[in-house]
Amino acid sequence: KAGVTQTPRYLIKTRGQQVTLSCSPISGHRSVSWYQQTPGQGLQFLFEYFSETQRNKGNFPGRFSGRQFSNSRSEMNVSTLELGDSALYLCASSLGQGARNEQFFGPGTRLTVL
Amino acid sequence: QQPVQSPQAVILREGEDAVINCSSSKALYSVHWYRQKHGEAPVFLMILLKGGEQKGHEKISASFNEKKQQSSLYLTASQLSYSGTYFCGTEVMEYGNKLVFGAGTILRVKS
Repeated sequence: KAGVTQTPRYLIKTRGQQVTLSCSPISGHRSVSWYQQTPGQGLQFLFEYFSETQRNKGNFPGRFSGRQFSNSRSEMNVSTLELGDSALYLCASSLGQGARNEQFFGPGTRLTVL
Repeated sequence: QQPVQSPQAVILREGEDAVINCSSSKALYSVHWYRQKHGEAPVFLMILLKGGEQKGHEKISASFNEKKQQSSLYLTASQLSYSGTYFCGTEVMEYGNKLVFGAGTILRVKS
């Protein structure tokens, strides 16, 4: 089975712009979770989508949003980018909803905001 | 609230053992363990669930003390391939069905 794929792998944006990141889960997985990873804060949960519905949300501002399509692929959008949004954004897929399932992480998208 | 991992970093020689600890101040439903090598995605190692169920790799062992809200990951007879950053993720009852990760423990195995 193919693993979790994320596109693009690298992005450079300037403050104020918006960005959309994409995640394709493992075939058959219906849950996609998004995480932000930074050296200072570690791995922080953004949100989880299951069956096209957001099921859980972390403590991030409304500039961070996401969606999931009927084929379980997910996108994450960040509007009005700030310097502090520079991070590695990881998505993880799992068979079932919620934190009690093994999560398979993608390689991440490295976002740099200038 | 982020769980506390200890130690922050550890250096081992091949064949030595190590224990990585994860502690939460909140009641937990489950604890996950992942390993991340530099420049790669985190890889699942184990889930320990409240009530005693465990799911994970055969060669990895871990414990979950539900009363103390603590988990430990045991790495025995370490190999060079064990090097990486180990993260625990906790599912806190109070926060619902999501994972809160610790800051990570850097493990380096030398030959």
